[in-house]
Amino acid sequence: EDKVVQSPLSLVVHEGDTVTLNCSYEVTNFRSLLWYKQEKKAPTFLFMLTSSGIEKKSGRLSSILDKKELFSILNITATQTGDSAVYLCAVWLVYNFNKFYFGSGTKLNVKP
Amino acid sequence: NAGVTQTPKFQVLKTGQSMTLQCAQDMNHEYMSWYRQDPGMGLRLIHYSVGAGITDQGEVPNGYNVSRSTTEDFPLRLLSAAPSQTSVYFCASRPRRGDEKLFFGSGTQLSVL
Repeated sequence: EDKVVQSPLSLVVHEGDTVTLNCSYEVTNFRSLLWYKQEKKAPTFLFMLTSSGIEKKSGRLSSILDKKELFSILNITATQTGDSAVYLCAVWLVYNFNKFYFGSGTKLNVKP
Repeated sequence: NAGVTQTPKFQVLKTGQSMTLQCAQDMNHEYMSWYRQDPGMGLRLIHYSVGAGITDQGEVPNGYNVSRSTTEDFPLRLLSAAPSQTSVYFCASRPRRGDEKLFFGSGTQLSVL
């Protein structure tokens, strides 16, 4: 059974800290992994990773994929209270272009 | 552009009642889908559609019906609501080919008493 597991489930840090969120997957026919940020409402897209070892970066956020060890990490440096959200990862498979498998998310709380 | 629009934002039903959650997108996306989000379980796919007249089941389809008569609209029907269907529902769309990221609506919070 295809599975996507995120850790930790929740995290509390203070502004300025650096955090690392983890997403591991056990799927057949992996195509790509996506990260989303979910605040109060709709998830918003952060990154899509397809190739191992290539870091994607956007401001203080960065992410990398390891296809050998089947995981991805999302790093946030110099955290701000606006980074407080649930971070979701999803895996997209080759054989079925129509299904994304989501992890349960990591809830990040950044305190002032 | 409005993107993906869901209505209503909140709904309370009694067990056995029926209702339709509405989803519309104005991006001409062929692919549309419905997810439910429950605490500790992430987003789970209910039904999806790759174009008008074409629908298929996801991971948790039981208790839900869908139809796709136009490219823009993809309503989700609960025929006889059950407390187990209490959840937050998200509609999402994307172009069928090319860019893989999903565009999400703002969600419908549904409580079934």
